[in-house]
Amino acid sequence: AQSVTQPDIHITVSEGASLELRCNYSYGATPYLFWYVQSPGQGLQLLLKYFSGDTLVQGIKGFEAEFKRSQSSFNLRKPSVHWSDAAEYFCAVAQTWIKAAGNKLTFGGGTRVLVKP
Amino acid sequence: DAGVTQSPTHLIKTRGQQVTLRCSPISGHKSVSWYQQVLGQGPQFIFQYYEKEERGRGNFPDRFSARQFPNYSSELNVNALLLGDSALYLCASSLGGTGGDQPQHFGDGTRLSIL
Repeated sequence: AQSVTQPDIHITVSEGASLELRCNYSYGATPYLFWYVQSPGQGLQLLLKYFSGDTLVQGIKGFEAEFKRSQSSFNLRKPSVHWSDAAEYFCAVAQTWIKAAGNKLTFGGGTRVLVKP
Repeated sequence: DAGVTQSPTHLIKTRGQQVTLRCSPISGHKSVSWYQQVLGQGPQFIFQYYEKEERGRGNFPDRFSARQFPNYSSELNVNALLLGDSALYLCASSLGGTGGDQPQHFGDGTRLSIL
């Protein structure tokens, strides 16, 4: 069964500093990978996705993520954090090889990002 | 264009009651999925519907049921509510249910509290 692990429950970063959120997945084939962000009291907003091809993908709000097959990782990065980036971030995987199964997402437990002034 | 809309935004029920949550997908989207997000955890998959047919079911008891209507909107029903059903229920829509390469777009959820 597929699974996603986000090792860091909380991360505190100063405004203007760089940010990296870790994500490790377990899946038998090349997965479809996603990063979502959730602000308090709101739903999930898609930041970026990886399906195939270039292993460095660009997303919205200045975020990027790198797929590393050898490490089963899909880490999210941002060069310079803004106070508005304080939120919870979720990594998710969708299975690719059972089309009839639709696009069920399996999420990690999330990483809460706090931004210091 | 309107995003995924869910109603109601908040709901308070007591144990043993039944609840119905509603979701309208983005225009043109034919697939709707439901997720349960308990406080402090990531969302857990409950159901997916595509073209009014159930395409997937997560590890939830039979007290949970759902359906999709001809206009692609959806309802999630939960019977015999338990304290553990307290959560944020998220609805997501996507263009089609034919594979994992269809990004899902989420609504803001319904916050269900069980007393």
